[in-house]
Amino acid sequence: DGGITQSPKYLFRKEGQNVTLSCEQNLNHDAMYWYRQDPGQGLRLIYYSQIVNDFQKGDIAEGYSVSREKKESFPLTVTSAQKNPTAFYLCASTPDGLSYGYTFGSGTRLTVV
Amino acid sequence: GQQVMQIPQYQHVQEGEDFTTYCNSSTTLSNIQWYKQRPGGHPVFLIQLVKSGEVKKQKRLTFQFGEAKKNSSLHITATQTTDVGTYFCAGSFGNEKLTFGTGTRLTIIP
Repeated sequence: DGGITQSPKYLFRKEGQNVTLSCEQNLNHDAMYWYRQDPGQGLRLIYYSQIVNDFQKGDIAEGYSVSREKKESFPLTVTSAQKNPTAFYLCASTPDGLSYGYTFGSGTRLTVV
Repeated sequence: GQQVMQIPQYQHVQEGEDFTTYCNSSTTLSNIQWYKQRPGGHPVFLIQLVKSGEVKKQKRLTFQFGEAKKNSSLHITATQTTDVGTYFCAGSFGNEKLTFGTGTRLTIIP
């Protein structure tokens, strides 16, 4: 079955360490997105990519980095510069920009210890 | 920046009662989408509205897009325990990204 796979489901990180969250899709979707979800704040856009080898900053890109070397993969790195990284991270994809709804992965819950 | 406001933040209803959540924007939206997130889960796409005044139904769910394309609502008739979750609206302002509302968390009292 087609879908989006995020790994790991839970991740613990020490302060000062970088960590990379995986997002893989086999839906042949062009557009991919990373969102951060905090309680009571909805979903906030970190980065998005409309096509391979191209990506744009979202509303809260500081302290994060991404790459889009393959259509199927859009990994997110949470760097030590991110001041408050503990959150639920969701990856999503769609065939193009906004003609269709987003398909979300099951998320990665990151905790800084 | 462009924001989508959603109310109420929480709603507790008796099973069988109706439920409504509202989204508002100060700027005209190109389209609006609705998502449902079950507790511990991820958002699942429900529907997209594009036209001014559009109304769409999915069984007990009714979605509306305002005439000015600045507001939208989701109404659930005769709630059931399976309706529990957080409902998000997400709007587009003519660019290639969605702006999500803060969500309405629905709990059902059996």
